[in-house]
Amino acid sequence: EPEVTQTPSHQVTQMGQEVILRCVPISNHLYFYWYRQILGQKVEFLVSFYNNEISEKSEIFDDQFSVERPDGSNFTLKIRSTKLEDSAMYFCASSRNGLAAFNEQFFGPGTRLTVL
Amino acid sequence: DQQVKQNSPSLSVQEGRISILNCDYTNSMFDYFLWYKKYPAEGPTFLISISSIKDKNEDGRFTVFLNKSAKHLSLHIVPSQPGDSAVYFCAASANQGGSEKLVFGKGTKLTVNP
Repeated sequence: EPEVTQTPSHQVTQMGQEVILRCVPISNHLYFYWYRQILGQKVEFLVSFYNNEISEKSEIFDDQFSVERPDGSNFTLKIRSTKLEDSAMYFCASSRNGLAAFNEQFFGPGTRLTVL
Repeated sequence: DQQVKQNSPSLSVQEGRISILNCDYTNSMFDYFLWYKKYPAEGPTFLISISSIKDKNEDGRFTVFLNKSAKHLSLHIVPSQPGDSAVYFCAASANQGGSEKLVFGKGTKLTVNP
């Protein structure tokens, strides 16, 4: 069964450093998402991406964040200068269609980001 | 901003009995609701969904009920099995508004005891 994969599973970084989280969405999916879950809190939407551009983003997704689909398979989330409060589990998701009513979002296993 | 609320952080039931997980929402723009299940060290896995034009959707042991007037939905698992032990997230989406994002509740940890 096809699945979303994410690397690394755990990333430790120093405050102020740049990190890139990587995701390989399901191959025939067209919509890609990043969510995050701070420990003890809810899963929060960050950004959705379609046709090589951001289609929707939350207020969390500020100028420190960027997304890219550098080739036909990878989807990346970059945090330019990490802060302590960026420590969270980051989930990548993909779907064939953009609207939840037509297609479920499949989630990857997550990358745990720890900012020291 | 708690647009989707799961007020019970945990629930414990006996194997074979019914598990009822509850979810409330405040945003009247939400028109599609989903339940996800999450095991430790894994991402959320889609379980079942319901559109706001329906009040019930059933899939095997899982049934979701929607009460639009009360802005309340519930997930029923019958019979509950130990393998159902996981964190269950309620999520909502405003499809008519063209939004793609899912808004999640905080989750309810279900423990099914053998």
